[in-house]
Formats: sequence, C-alpha cells, structure tokens
Amino acid sequence: NAGVMQNPRHLVRRRGQEARLRCSPMKGHSHVYWYRQLPEEGLKFMVYLQKENIIDESGMPKERFSAEFPKEGPSILRIQQVVRGDSAAYFCASSPKREVYNEQFFGPGTRLTVL
Amino acid sequence: TQLLEQSPQFLSIQEGENLTVYCNSSSVFSSLQWYRQEPGEGPVLLVTVVTGGEVKKLKRLTFQFGDARKDSSLHITAAQPGDTGLYLCAGGARNTDKLIFGTGTRLQVFP
Repeated sequence: NAGVMQNPRHLVRRRGQEARLRCSPMKGHSHVYWYRQLPEEGLKFMVYLQKENIIDESGMPKERFSAEFPKEGPSILRIQQVVRGDSAAYFCASSPKREVYNEQFFGPGTRLTVL
Repeated sequence: TQLLEQSPQFLSIQEGENLTVYCNSSSVFSSLQWYRQEPGEGPVLLVTVVTGGEVKKLKRLTFQFGDARKDSSLHITAAQPGDTGLYLCAGGARNTDKLIFGTGTRLQVFP
C-alpha cells in the first residue's frame, strides 16, 4: 500500500490519559499535515511539518497538543490529558514537496473517542 | 479569515439525475481541490484546478474554477449510487501550505 498510513484507526481513551497518533506519509513525500474533523464539521488544519521541523502550527491548540516528524519513523500527533472535546477524527495528509498548488493526499484517519 | 461555503449542504436524488455543487468564497485561492469522503474513511482527491476559468472533466464529473479564482463548481451527470458521499472543496493559497476546507455537501443517490 503506497498510500498515507495512519494507526491506530480507532483509539479509545479515558479523560486524563494520553493519545498518540501515528502517520506514515506516502513514499517520497517529505511534508506532513494534520487536520481534525469534529462530528458534523469540516476538516480544520492543525499543523504542518517537514522532517525534524514544525513549519506551521497555527491550528494547534496551545496546550496539551504537540506534533513531531523525526528524521526516522512516522509523524506523531500527541494529545496529553485528553478531554471529551478531543473526540474527533484526526487525519494526516502528505505532499512530495512544497508546491504552489497545495495538493495533499490523505490517510484513512484515526478516530479518537474520549470516555 | 478565509472561508469556503458549499451549497447545498445536503442533496438527495434519484439515480440518473444531474446535480451541481457549489463552493464559494470572498477570498482568492491559488488552487482549488475537490475531495470525496466516505464514512469512516479519509478524503480522496478527485481533482485540482489552478487557472481561473479552468474546466476539468473526470468521466461523469465536471469541475470548474471561477474566473476570479474565488469559486468553483462540481457537476455530476447521470448520478449513480456509487457517487454517494461527502464532497469537500479545499482552497490553497500561495502564502500558506494549509488547505482551507469547505463546509461540505452530503450527497445521497438512491437507486
């Protein structure tokens, strides 16, 4: 499967626990984006990363959320001390390089449920 | 703040009918993508349009980018049940790498 991979597909956490979402971009893609889709809402940008660098985190909540894209391995979106309002589908997208046309390819998402 | 409004929000039609979905903004975008999303899955890229006035056809789907690059439309001819899904437009701007997503149009095609 040469597409964007995300795991887990479903994640259940209790309030106060940590959630760790992983994303492996398409082969040859070095740019990763995270979006969040709340129930019955559209996708909202969270963060844009390149290898070892956060380029734009203007959509990330100021507290509890962090993201990384290490030199080796997948990109990680980490949510500490989860609350019920964090329940959503989290999508990762990748693109091959910085392009004028912003064409991004999405993974299947991780559906986070906070009990 | 850049916003993309889609209309209609919901659309239920019979197989064989034609339909048009609209995506409008007061902002100019350097590109406009259309995605389709099925329940439990991620958005799948259908097309990218980049030139004002551009028209692209993908089988029964026709996409148009407005002359001023502020709006777009998606027209489906002879809709089929397999076209059912959530259709999302997304705009890209030259000065940012993030996509601004529209509010979505949920299409249901009945056999």
